[in-house]
Amino acid sequence: ETGVTQSPTHLIKTRGQQVTLRCSSQSGHNTVSWYQQALGQGPQFIFQYYREEENGRGNFPPRFSGLQFPNYSSELNVNALELDDSALYLCASSLDFSDTQYFGPGTRLTVL
Amino acid sequence: EDQVTQSPEALRLQEGESSSLNCSYTVSGLRGLFWYRQDPGKGPEFLFTLYSAGEEKEKERLKATLTKKESFLHITAPKPEDSATYLCAVQEDSNYQLIWGAGTKLIIKP
Repeated sequence: ETGVTQSPTHLIKTRGQQVTLRCSSQSGHNTVSWYQQALGQGPQFIFQYYREEENGRGNFPPRFSGLQFPNYSSELNVNALELDDSALYLCASSLDFSDTQYFGPGTRLTVL
Repeated sequence: EDQVTQSPEALRLQEGESSSLNCSYTVSGLRGLFWYRQDPGKGPEFLFTLYSAGEEKEKERLKATLTKKESFLHITAPKPEDSATYLCAVQEDSNYQLIWGAGTKLIIKP
């Protein structure tokens, strides 16, 4: 059974650019949640997708947007990057929106 | 406001020295409490889910317990490979979102 995968592993962007992060959910999972984790802090919930629909959103501005595809993989898009967007971005998949979440290895984004 | 507080922020132990990590929470309705382990630069690894006060779960040297206001992660005779940050998250019964603590960084010295 393949676990949650994320790409790319690392990414360096400059302020004002746009970025797309990708996540493949675990086999059989229909829900993907995205988190931002700053150094030394717990993950902060960005949003969740359940069966291709947004199913909850945290306190993040609209320049953070996402998609979930029919195969339940997902993308996180961030426009107009700011220095504070530098963080580890985590994707987690679950069998259902209420079920235990299993995380991928994360994408380290650095904004210069 | 719903919140999760973990203590201590960091804990240094000698190999074999047992201890406990604390996760206290305030939430209107608890559906579940989750413990994860996170190694530096990696994604969190699921450990346990607890659903009701009095519940206990064990895995190797780890045991998690739950009361109505807090959870403990007990570590018995730890080894250096247990060194990691341990994260606690609570899931509300209204919207199923996870609310996370900041974690406890555990260092086990040989």
